[in-house]
Amino acid sequence: QKEVEQDPGPLSVPEGAIVSLNCTYSNSAFQYFMWYRQYSRKGPELLMYTYSSGNKEDGRFTAQVDKSSKYISLFIRDSQPSDSATYLCAMSARTGFKTIFGAGTRLFVKA
Amino acid sequence: DVKVTQSSRYLVKRTGEKVFLECVQDMDHENMFWYRQDPGLGLRLIYFSYDVKMKEKGDIPEGYSVSREKKERFSLILESASTNQTSMYLCASSPSSGSSYNEQFFGPGTRLTVL
Repeated sequence: QKEVEQDPGPLSVPEGAIVSLNCTYSNSAFQYFMWYRQYSRKGPELLMYTYSSGNKEDGRFTAQVDKSSKYISLFIRDSQPSDSATYLCAMSARTGFKTIFGAGTRLFVKA
Repeated sequence: DVKVTQSSRYLVKRTGEKVFLECVQDMDHENMFWYRQDPGLGLRLIYFSYDVKMKEKGDIPEGYSVSREKKERFSLILESASTNQTSMYLCASSPSSGSSYNEQFFGPGTRLTVL
């Protein structure tokens, strides 16, 4: 079993839709949870970061962590064609420790 | 603007060739990483380095070696390229463990094809 599981998609939605991206994990020691966005032919860039459980909001993006269920989510409101990218979840046990990445979910937002 | 650069965007090599992938960062970061990215498998860590001349094996080091002679430069070496090393290679850097979280800054990637 992989430490981090993420559905690779692809996920195709119309412009304006609410998008939900999810990851599950098995290592209860993970405390730092991140979402990276990767555009085609580019390297990943950090989009959101959350420490431990709870929600974090940044504009149209909301990151949620449920440590009891070992489940994290990224919600995108009012999705735009420019949100079309691959979204990778990532997590680590503590600062400076190894980061484990999910396989990434490809998202297409159609105009 | 912070930057991680990789020496080539696309590379085609023959089986058995020795291949060098170069990565340079301008952020004075202590940590540097090499990953390969394959469909359905995500990012897999090959090697990382937390200081000059220091290196640690990641999850899939077989067939690879690394060199870090200067803080800003981290090289990945394929000693004898094989077709199963055809992949996207991503370099990343991050500040030391004193930072509040583990943000890694990635280069644009090198797509390597081994024929």
